[in-house]
Amino acid sequence: SQELEQSPQSLIVQEGKNLTINCTSSKTLYGLYWYKQKYGEGLIFLMMLQKGGEEKSHEKITAKLDEKKQQSSLHITASQPSHAGIYLCGADKADDAGNMLTFGGGTRLMVKP
Amino acid sequence: IAGITQAPTSQILAAGRRMTLRCTQDMRHNAMYWYRQDLGLGLRLIHYSNTAGTTGKGEVPDGYSVSRANTDDFPLTLASAVPSQTSVYFCASRTSDRRNTEAFFGQGTRLTVV
Repeated sequence: SQELEQSPQSLIVQEGKNLTINCTSSKTLYGLYWYKQKYGEGLIFLMMLQKGGEEKSHEKITAKLDEKKQQSSLHITASQPSHAGIYLCGADKADDAGNMLTFGGGTRLMVKP
Repeated sequence: IAGITQAPTSQILAAGRRMTLRCTQDMRHNAMYWYRQDLGLGLRLIHYSNTAGTTGKGEVPDGYSVSRANTDDFPLTLASAVPSQTSVYFCASRTSDRRNTEAFFGQGTRLTVV
C-alpha cells in the first residue's frame, strides 16, 4: 500500500471555481513534491515544499506543507480548463540504499467550461 | 536537447515474451527511477538506482529487473511479460537521491501485453 494518500481521487469543477487537493502521509514528510500530468503526457514539476509551514505559489496554484509535516494541500484559485489533468504528490522515502521517490495515487481534475 | 528519453513510445507484446524498455538521460544525474502508472492515476515505483552500479527494489518489483552499468542508461526488463504488466511506464532521474531534489520524467512507454 502507498504511504501517500491523495484526496479526492477525482474532481469535476466549474470553470472559475476554487478547489483543494490534499496529500496525507503516514510518516513525517521531509520534502513534498507536486507534479501535474496532462492526459497522455509526462509529468511536469510544479513545486517542492521543504519546511513545515512553508507555502509556495505558481500562477494560480498554491501549495502548503502543514506544521506537523504530515500533510500538504494544493489549492487552485479561479480554475481554468488549462488546469485539467492529474495532480500527483511525491515524497522521499528512506531505504537502506538511500532515498527513493514515491508518489500518491493521484487526483484527476476536470474543469468544465 | 538535454533531457530524459524513453524508447519505445508504445509497444504491443505477446504474453511470455521478453521486453526491455530503454531509458537514457544526458543530465549526468546519479539517481534514476522506473514507475508504472495504471488507469491514468498514481505512480508506483518499480526499481530505482541511486548511482551507477547500484539498484534497489521499489514498491512493485516482481516480474521486472533493472541494471545500471553507467550513469546515463537505466533499462527495465520484463523477462516473461504477463497481461497484468499492461501499463504506462515512466522513467525519471534527478541529480542525487538527497531529499528535496526535483526529478525529471520521460514521456512514458505505453505497453500492452496480450
